Amino acid sequence: AQTVTQSQPEMSVQEAETVTLSCTYDTSENNYYLFWYKQPPSRQMILVIRQEAYKQQNATENRFSVNFQKAAKSFSLKISDSQLGDTAMYFCAFMGISSNTGKLIFGQGTTLQVKP
Amino acid sequence: EAGVTQFPSHSVIEKGQTVTLRCDPISGHDNLYWYRRVMGKEIKFLLHFVKESKQDESGMPNNRFLAERTGGTYSTLKVQPAELEDSGVYFCASSQAKGGSTDTQYFGPGTRLTVL
Repeated sequence: AQTVTQSQPEMSVQEAETVTLSCTYDTSENNYYLFWYKQPPSRQMILVIRQEAYKQQNATENRFSVNFQKAAKSFSLKISDSQLGDTAMYFCAFMGISSNTGKLIFGQGTTLQVKP
Repeated sequence: EAGVTQFPSHSVIEKGQTVTLRCDPISGHDNLYWYRRVMGKEIKFLLHFVKESKQDESGMPNNRFLAERTGGTYSTLKVQPAELEDSGVYFCASSQAKGGSTDTQYFGPGTRLTVL
């Protein structure tokens, strides 16, 4: 069975600095997708970034980038130039392709506080 | 375009009562997912609809939970009778692609269920 682990329950960063959130996963599949979702306080969860496992190049979305290490089964999220609006809970998620259902498997979440 | 909506936003019921949660996906999205997050734990998959058909209900905890999606539009999740351990936040998500979807899932704001 696939599992996703986020080992940092809480993190904080000063505004304008860079922070990295960790995520590791376990799977026997070769093709899959990885995601980072963000849930701001009292707001709904939105997709931050998505990575296809067959792509070697790390995904980037503006200030958000990932470090995808397939062999190590690691998928960390780097937030550059942190802003107050980045304060949220961040969830790492895995989607296997072989099951063909689109089911997401989530980690426990990391609460990120950006301080002014 | 309206996002995924869920009703109610909060529900407080007593053990043994029945509660029905509703999800309205994004218009035109064939795939609809239910997830839940119990206190402090990871978000877990409950089930997946493709239109009105249940594609995967492997995450449904027991037969006290009944999900329907008549007509392939909105979905309901009924808990009957509710138990204390059912407390948590129930999320709905939808995505566009047909069949087994790897498309981005868009999440609703969730329904916070408290069973006393």
